[in-house]
Amino acid sequence: AQTVTQSQPEMSVQEAETVTLSCTYDTSENNYYLFWYKQPPSRQMILVIRQEAYKQQNATENRFSVNFQKAAKSFSLKISDSQLGDTAMYFCAFMRDNAGNMLTFGGGTRLMVKP
Amino acid sequence: EAGVAQSPRYKIIEKRQSVAFWCNPISGHATLYWYQQILGQGPKLLIQFQNNGVVDDSQLPKDRFSAERLKGVDSTLKIQPAKLEDSAVYLCASSRQGSSPLHFGNGTRLTVT
Repeated sequence: AQTVTQSQPEMSVQEAETVTLSCTYDTSENNYYLFWYKQPPSRQMILVIRQEAYKQQNATENRFSVNFQKAAKSFSLKISDSQLGDTAMYFCAFMRDNAGNMLTFGGGTRLMVKP
Repeated sequence: EAGVAQSPRYKIIEKRQSVAFWCNPISGHATLYWYQQILGQGPKLLIQFQNNGVVDDSQLPKDRFSAERLKGVDSTLKIQPAKLEDSAVYLCASSRQGSSPLHFGNGTRLTVT
């Protein structure tokens, strides 16, 4: 079974600064996918970024980028130029290859962006 | 395109009562998922449907939870009888096929008193 651990229950950052959220996972699989989801107070889970384990290049989506360390089983999210709208819960998630979107989520990190 | 629709938005019931949640996925999405998110935790998959067939329900407490997806479109999740520990947000998600990106609804917050 896979496990996903987010060791930071809460984080805060000043607007326009950079923050990094941590995630580690445990798996014996070689092919898998990793995700970061954002959950604002509306409760809807929104996909932020996705990384395929077979790709060495770290994924980037505008202000969001990841640092994927496969050997260390680490998958951190960096948010640059933080905006007030980034305030939300952030969840790291793992999916085995060919697992049909069956995600295993971490416990989440609450991020607050301060003006 | 319209998103995943869920209702009700909130529900408060007493323990031992029954409750049902409804989900309408995005049109054309064959795969539908129900997740349970207990306060302070990440979502946990309860059941996955492919069209109107169950793909995985290994984490569904079948003694009290049931789900169906008639005609491969809308889905309902039922709890009977409810327990205090069932208090959670129930999220529905859909995807065009098993490996396509997931789209989540806004969830139903259930409080069992």
